[in-house]
Amino acid sequence: DIEMTQSPSSLSASVGDSVTITCRASQNIKTALNWYQSKPGKAPKALIYGAYLLQNGVPSRFSAGGSGTEFTLNISSLQSDDSATYFCQQSYGRPPFTFGPGTKVQIK
Amino acid sequence: QVLLVQSGAEVKKPGASVKVSCKTSGYTLGDSFVHWVRQAPGQGLEWMGIIYISRGTAIKAPRFEGRVSMTTDSSTGTVYLELNSLGSEDTAVYYCAREKYAGNQGTWPLHYYGLDVWGQGTTVTVSS
Repeated sequence: DIEMTQSPSSLSASVGDSVTITCRASQNIKTALNWYQSKPGKAPKALIYGAYLLQNGVPSRFSAGGSGTEFTLNISSLQSDDSATYFCQQSYGRPPFTFGPGTKVQIK
Repeated sequence: QVLLVQSGAEVKKPGASVKVSCKTSGYTLGDSFVHWVRQAPGQGLEWMGIIYISRGTAIKAPRFEGRVSMTTDSSTGTVYLELNSLGSEDTAVYYCAREKYAGNQGTWPLHYYGLDVWGQGTTVTVSS
């Protein structure tokens, strides 16, 4: 099975800052990588699919890239509402489609 | 509007089974897959499995094989997750999520669009 890792596990930044989260796959997954935002008590929200494509309604402050085994999620002009845990998920080939362990973003 | 509406919270004793429903609306169920994902308290997202609606096939994560059943009632557009032999470690919020069909890569479906719409979640508590 494909294993996913994320770094950092948590970060703290101020409103207006830019942050970058890295996700790595244990093998080449081309661009089969998705990103989600998870807040306590709410269902996860889809942000990115196909490594860099924004889901409908996602603000352009969110951007992503990468291919193969290394991927990034960037949040620019950080807002208080961006306080959440962010998960990557690989969807390459056949299941299982594993999630990364998550990165918690806190606003100072 | 695409909606996935899940059944209510459940409290179960160890060793029991639980069945969670996920009623879909606003789109053609057969043009999609439905994934099941769970999140234990304070933990990350855990992918449990996927049901390929049009094929009537479900594939589960290895750790759930033999203990999880995923089924569909196409007449009502409802997808079900049943988890057997519950233990305290199964206490979690269970989510269904849709993935749109994006064509095939060879003979196998291409997984391209990600899990774009999620149900509201069903809390399952396992306690004696």
